Amino acid sequence: AQTVTQSQPEMSVQEAETVTLSCTYDTSESDYYLFWYKQPPSRQMILVIRQEAYKQQNATENRFSVNFQKAAKSFSLKISDSQLGDAAMYFCAYRRAPNKIIFGKGTRLHILP
Amino acid sequence: GAVVSQHPSWVICKSGTSVKIECRSLDFQATTMFWYRQFPKQSLMLMATSNEGSKATYEQGVEKDKFLINHASLTLSTLTVTSAHPEDSSFYICSASTGGNTEAFFGQGTRLTVV
Repeated sequence: AQTVTQSQPEMSVQEAETVTLSCTYDTSESDYYLFWYKQPPSRQMILVIRQEAYKQQNATENRFSVNFQKAAKSFSLKISDSQLGDAAMYFCAYRRAPNKIIFGKGTRLHILP
Repeated sequence: GAVVSQHPSWVICKSGTSVKIECRSLDFQATTMFWYRQFPKQSLMLMATSNEGSKATYEQGVEKDKFLINHASLTLSTLTVTSAHPEDSSFYICSASTGGNTEAFFGQGTRLTVV
């Protein structure tokens, strides 16, 4: 069965600095998607970034980028120039048809002013 | 991005009554919808997956007779908590996708309090 592991329950970063959140997963499949979702205090789940497993190029979205290491089954999220609004719970997620999305336990990110 | 609307945002009901939560995809057709439960400071726990026109697939340990899920159209799914009890109090979140390996879009969540 597929699993997603986030080994950092909480992290803190100084405003304007860079932080990396870790995620590893386990699967025997070769075609799948990986995601990072953000859940701020409002509890609305927001998609931050996605990565197709067949793409070697790491996905980027403005200040957010991933380091996707398929062989190592690692999918870390880097947030550059951290802002106060980045404070949230971050969930790493895996999806492989048919359909079920598997979430990690989450990492709570604190931004220090 | 795609918008998923979940209603109500919060609800308080008396023990023994039933409550219905709606999840609508506003600008896309959702072939698949997911229902999650989230306890404070924890991850999302998948309750069931529903495909339009089919019976929902429940995760192990989730009572299908207590948590009724209907996905009658490509834009609407409902979760009905029947005979609610205080232990059913929680935050319920729906998400919708077009299937395959695409991302899912989430509703705002519903905080259910059973008194």
